[in-house]
Amino acid sequence: SAVISQKPSRDICQRGTSLTIQCQVDSQVTMMFWYRQQPGQSLTLIATANQGSEATYESGFVIDKFPISRPNLTFSTLTVSNMSPEDSSIYLCSAAGTGNTGELFFGEGSRLTVL
Amino acid sequence: AQSVAQPEDQVNVAEGNPLTVKCTYSVSGNPYLFWYVQYPNRGLQFLLKYITGDNLVKGSYGFEAEFNKSQTSFHLKKPSALVSDSALYFCAVRRSGNTPLVFGKGTRLSVIA
Repeated sequence: SAVISQKPSRDICQRGTSLTIQCQVDSQVTMMFWYRQQPGQSLTLIATANQGSEATYESGFVIDKFPISRPNLTFSTLTVSNMSPEDSSIYLCSAAGTGNTGELFFGEGSRLTVL
Repeated sequence: AQSVAQPEDQVNVAEGNPLTVKCTYSVSGNPYLFWYVQYPNRGLQFLLKYITGDNLVKGSYGFEAEFNKSQTSFHLKKPSALVSDSALYFCAVRRSGNTPLVFGKGTRLSVIA
C-alpha cells in the first residue's frame, strides 16, 4: 500500500486568489490522479498527473484553471487558480502502484472554502 | 465509457442486522470493481476489490461483496452491522491498466443502535 500526505488539509481562501495543494507519496507510484468532491457529491476526476509531461485533463477541467505538476514519481501539486466560491470542495490526491489491478490509494483530502 | 450506479442515497439498518449497499456497473471488457468508505472529514479508505476469481470477495472490517456478472452488480454486504459502520460508501469501477476510478454517487449508511 501507499501512504499519501496532502497539505494543506484545509484552507479558507479569498475570491480571486490561487492555492497550491501538495501531494506526497511514501513510495514511487506509476499513476497519480486528482479528484474533486464538491459538498455532498461524489468524486469527479480532474486530471491524471503525468510524470515529466503535461497532465491529462477530463472534460470540463482546463489547465489554466487547474495547473498540475508532477516532477517525479512521488510528488504532485494541484493549483486552483482564480478561485470563486464554486471551487469550494475537497480535493483529493490518489495514486496507483505498480501493476494494473490494484486499487487507488487516497490522501486525506484538502478542504478548500472560498469566500 | 464506464459508469457506476448506486441506487440508494441512504440506507438505514439496525445494529446487529445484516446490511446491503447496492451497486451496478457498466464497463466494456472485464470490470475491476472496488468499494471505498469515507468517514466524516476523512479521505477514502479502501474496503475491498474484485478483479477475478471467486465472486464473493472479503474485505476490511467484516465487509464482503458479491460480483454478479449477469446482473452487472457488485453489492456490498455485512452480516451484522455496527454503529461504527455509519459512513458514506462509494462503489467504483475501472478498466484494466493504470486507469483512474469512476465512482458512484455514494450511499450514506446509517446504523441505528
